[in-house]
Amino acid sequence: DVKVTQSSRYLVKRTGEKVFLECVQDMDHENMFWYRQDPGLGLRLIYFSYDVKMKEKGDIPEGYSVSREKKERFSLILESASTNQTSMYLCASSETSGVYNEQFFGPGTRLTVL
Amino acid sequence: SQQGEEDPQALSIQEGENATMNCSYKTSINNLQWYRQNSGRGLVHLILIRSNEREKHSGRLRVTLDTSKKSSSLLITASRAADTASYFCALVLLGGNTGKLIFGQGTTLQVKP
Repeated sequence: DVKVTQSSRYLVKRTGEKVFLECVQDMDHENMFWYRQDPGLGLRLIYFSYDVKMKEKGDIPEGYSVSREKKERFSLILESASTNQTSMYLCASSETSGVYNEQFFGPGTRLTVL
Repeated sequence: SQQGEEDPQALSIQEGENATMNCSYKTSINNLQWYRQNSGRGLVHLILIRSNEREKHSGRLRVTLDTSKKSSSLLITASRAADTASYFCALVLLGGNTGKLIFGQGTTLQVKP
């Protein structure tokens, strides 16, 4: 079974802090994704990566950056956390760049910024 | 918006009944996928239907796709309390090559025992 793990289930940070969310997948997938999920808005893509050290902006990249130094790990960075970044963050991975691949999701990190 | 629009937003049924959720979209797609999310957890892939397919089955799930109407439906037959979850449609746009998904807002299904 594919396993996607995220470093924390719940996280509370203060405004202005630098926040790191870590995601690890164990199936040698090439693609990795970061989404945020907010009530009534569904999932929105923040960034994705199709290879080590490669990244592309999604629909809402402002205020976020990412890092992919190893194939299995994809990190989301909030440079200076703000209250409007309080949300559920979901990481996902998929096998290749093909369009017929399903995405496998981690359990999510619920981030609260005070 | 390229996002899928899901209808209804919420659905409450009794165990044993069928549940139908709909997804409409405005652009051309390569395929459409359905995912389930149990409360506060990650999403799980249910089924993928390609743009040249009209219907697919997987266990108690039946998905239809009408590209002329730009709509899809997910039918869960003989529902169980364990089917209580949120269900999302996700689009892969035509011309895309990265497997990027565009999600709808979801339908929340409650199945009462």
